[in-house]
Amino acid sequence: DAEITQSPRHKITETGRQVTLACHQTWNHNNMFWYRQDLGHGLRLIHYSYGVQDTNKGEVSDGYSVSRSNTEDLPLTLESAASSQTSVYFCASSRLAGANTDTQYFGPGTRLTVL
Amino acid sequence: GDSVTQMEGPVTLSEEAFLTINCTYTATGYPSLFWYVQYPGEGLQLLLKATKADDKGSNKGFEATYRKETTSFHLEKGSVQVSDSAVYFCALSVVSGGTSYGKLTFGQGTILTVHP
Repeated sequence: DAEITQSPRHKITETGRQVTLACHQTWNHNNMFWYRQDLGHGLRLIHYSYGVQDTNKGEVSDGYSVSRSNTEDLPLTLESAASSQTSVYFCASSRLAGANTDTQYFGPGTRLTVL
Repeated sequence: GDSVTQMEGPVTLSEEAFLTINCTYTATGYPSLFWYVQYPGEGLQLLLKATKADDKGSNKGFEATYRKETTSFHLEKGSVQVSDSAVYFCALSVVSGGTSYGKLTFGQGTILTVHP
């Protein structure tokens, strides 16, 4: 079955370290998204991509970067981790290019703690 | 900008009670509206959606009607079960300026706990 996976599921790191969170989907979806989930804020969009070599900033992109070298993967990099980036991170994908009616499919999440 | 406001929780109900979770939105374009559900320890999954005014989305006994006049998309279920305990998110996605973006804007989430 097609799916979307994230790794690692849990990560503890120290302030100032570079961290990369992986996201892999096997649906061949064009669109991929990264969100962070914090209590009282719901999910907020970090970065998104509509296809290979396409990346765009979301609502809370400072301190994060992404790259899209193939259809299946959109890794999220924290360049220099900060305690404010302690959160649960969700990757999602959707099929239709830029459509606002399409369902997004979410991964299981990565819980990141920055000490 | 676009925004979604959900009723504050947590909401605690007894099994078979009626559920309403209020959701209102502000959008600059022509939104599609969604309810996503997050069960403990899992990612979000789509519960239902409506893509134009007066549409009703339904799934698993849950319903929500897209009300353009009141900019609302309230979630209802006639008889909740213990297995409905989860976090519920209202969200919108907007077409703006002739371009579809497909990005979701979420409300803050409502925690629902159902007791036997």
